[in-house]
Amino acid sequence: NAGVTQTPKFRVLKTGQSMTLLCAQDMNHEYMYWYRQDPGMGLRLIHYSVGEGTTAKGEVPDGYNVSRLKKQNFLLGLESAAPSQTSVYFCASSLQGGAFFGQGTRLTVV
Amino acid sequence: GENVEQHPSTLSVQEGDSAVIKCTYSDSASNYFPWYKQELGKRPQLIIDIRSNVGEKKDQRIAVTLNKTAKHFSLHITETQPEDSAVYFCAAPKGNYGGSQGNLIFGKGTKLSVKP
Repeated sequence: NAGVTQTPKFRVLKTGQSMTLLCAQDMNHEYMYWYRQDPGMGLRLIHYSVGEGTTAKGEVPDGYNVSRLKKQNFLLGLESAAPSQTSVYFCASSLQGGAFFGQGTRLTVV
Repeated sequence: GENVEQHPSTLSVQEGDSAVIKCTYSDSASNYFPWYKQELGKRPQLIIDIRSNVGEKKDQRIAVTLNKTAKHFSLHITETQPEDSAVYFCAAPKGNYGGSQGNLIFGKGTKLSVKP
């Protein structure tokens, strides 16, 4: 039982490049989330999903897209990376209780 | 939408003292309130949570209290130890957690330092 796993752990992108962050959970959770964490800003919700095939916008969705084709996976895409998207990204999943977080992805856009 | 305010942003206590962190929320429909601890370079981890039908919950040295009327909830840590040093986050759902709106909004965090 691995919990919530994020891939990759670190990445450096050039401005304008695209990439996809993968989140996988093996707890059969319905809800999955993508947050970004910046110094002094806490955890801000980007997008979330309440079940397979559904997605919804969070607090800061601009510049990101997501997909939940399988219940266990939640993908976060950056179509054209910008320096403002430099951050630590956390995926999380939950059922009816607290959310469990992945180990995070540190993304730097230069 | 839901707005979660957390205070203080930093808190320094002596080992053995108590620490209290308070959060307020705006959505009266919110029904679930978790607290997370994040150590430096690590992922946030759930340490305690409370649902809206309960006023207080304890787990060893930590407790959470909820005042639904005033829309605030607090984390209490007693007999603090150096290993309690971390950033603590509160969270509240937008609407009725567990229903169609399954997202959690986090406070900005409190950096707790426990001095030996």
